[in-house]
Amino acid sequence: DVKVTQSSRYLVKRTGEKVFLECVQDMDHENMFWYRQDPGLGLRLIYFSYDVKMKEKGDIPEGYSVSREKKERFSLILESASTNQTSMYLCASSFGLEPQHFGDGTRLSIL
Amino acid sequence: AQTVTQSQPEMSVQEAETVTLSCTYDTSESDYYLFWYKQPPSRQMILVIRQEAYKQQNATENRFSVNFQKAAKSFSLKISDSQLGDAAMYFCAYRSRKTSYDKVIFGPGTSLSVIP
Repeated sequence: DVKVTQSSRYLVKRTGEKVFLECVQDMDHENMFWYRQDPGLGLRLIYFSYDVKMKEKGDIPEGYSVSREKKERFSLILESASTNQTSMYLCASSFGLEPQHFGDGTRLSIL
Repeated sequence: AQTVTQSQPEMSVQEAETVTLSCTYDTSESDYYLFWYKQPPSRQMILVIRQEAYKQQNATENRFSVNFQKAAKSFSLKISDSQLGDAAMYFCAYRSRKTSYDKVIFGPGTSLSVIP
């Protein structure tokens, strides 16, 4: 089975901090994704990557950046955290046209 | 741009009964995938069922089946013999087949409660 692991289930940070969310997949998938999940809005794509060192903006990239130095790892970075970035963050990976596999999510609170 | 709409924010069903969750989408493409994902409380999102647009036959996975109406751009999920473990948030999703890294577009979700 595909395993997508997110480094933290719950995270509390302060405004202005630089925040790193890590995601690792163990199935050699070329595609990786970061979503933000908010009630009533579903999942919104922040960034995705289809190869090492490649990244593409999703629908809501403002205030975020990403890094993919190795194929299995995709990091989401909040450069200067703000309270409106309090949310659930989901990482996913996929191979070709196959469905995405998701991690457990990180519930991030910015105080 | 493609959009996915789920008009029922919340639904409930009696255990062992059948429930149908609605989904409509908008696209100008002819070749795409549609998905239903399930997210139980505090647990991982998992794929329930997938439909390829070029296939006329409705997809089925055990107690889960879809009613895919391509012309109407409708993709509903039917859950038969509902169980307590079916309680979850359900997301309808769309993806083009043009490239392997096309975005998945998710609907806002339907929260399903199962009453014992």
